[in-house]
Amino acid sequence: EDKVVQSPLSLVVHEGDTVTLNCSYEVTNFRSLLWYKQEKKAPTFLFMLTSSGIEKKSGRLSSILDKKELSSILNITATQTGDSAIYLCAVIGNTGNQFYFGTGTSLTVIP
Amino acid sequence: ETGVTQSPTHLIKTRGQQVTLRCSSQSGHNTVSWYQQALGQGPQFIFQYYREEENGRGNFPPRFSGLQFPNYSSELNVNALELDDSALYLCASSFPDYGYTFGSGTRLTVV
Repeated sequence: EDKVVQSPLSLVVHEGDTVTLNCSYEVTNFRSLLWYKQEKKAPTFLFMLTSSGIEKKSGRLSSILDKKELSSILNITATQTGDSAIYLCAVIGNTGNQFYFGTGTSLTVIP
Repeated sequence: ETGVTQSPTHLIKTRGQQVTLRCSSQSGHNTVSWYQQALGQGPQFIFQYYREEENGRGNFPPRFSGLQFPNYSSELNVNALELDDSALYLCASSFPDYGYTFGSGTRLTVV
């Protein structure tokens, strides 16, 4: 059965800390892995990682895909209170018609 | 503003009733997917429509049904509502090979 597992489930850090969020997957014929940030309702897109693009960076956020270990990490450096959110990992296989989401990691950044 | 609009934003229904949720996608986004997100969980795939035809379905009973229209809008219908149907319902649209763009969701409460 296809599945995506994220860890930790929740995390509380102080402003300025660096955090690493984990995502592991078992999906038939993997095609892409995506990271989303969900603050209130709509998840907002962060990164998409594929076989041809296994590392992405945007400002303080970066992500790496390890196809051998079937996993990905999302790093956030110099965290800010505005980074507080649920971070969702989603994987899509070659059928292309659905994303499998993990349960998310709830990040709280305290001043 | 994500370009994907959902209505209504909140809804309260009684067990046994029927509900219709609506989604308006960006022009040209011919794929629309619906997800159910229960509290503390990641989004779960309900189904996907491509060019007005169902193109994949998750593990949801037939009382969950959908429609997609030529103007890129779509509907999710749920019959015989149950208490466990209480959740955030997300609509997402995409171009091929792009990550999904999510709407802000409809929060459905069944009492």
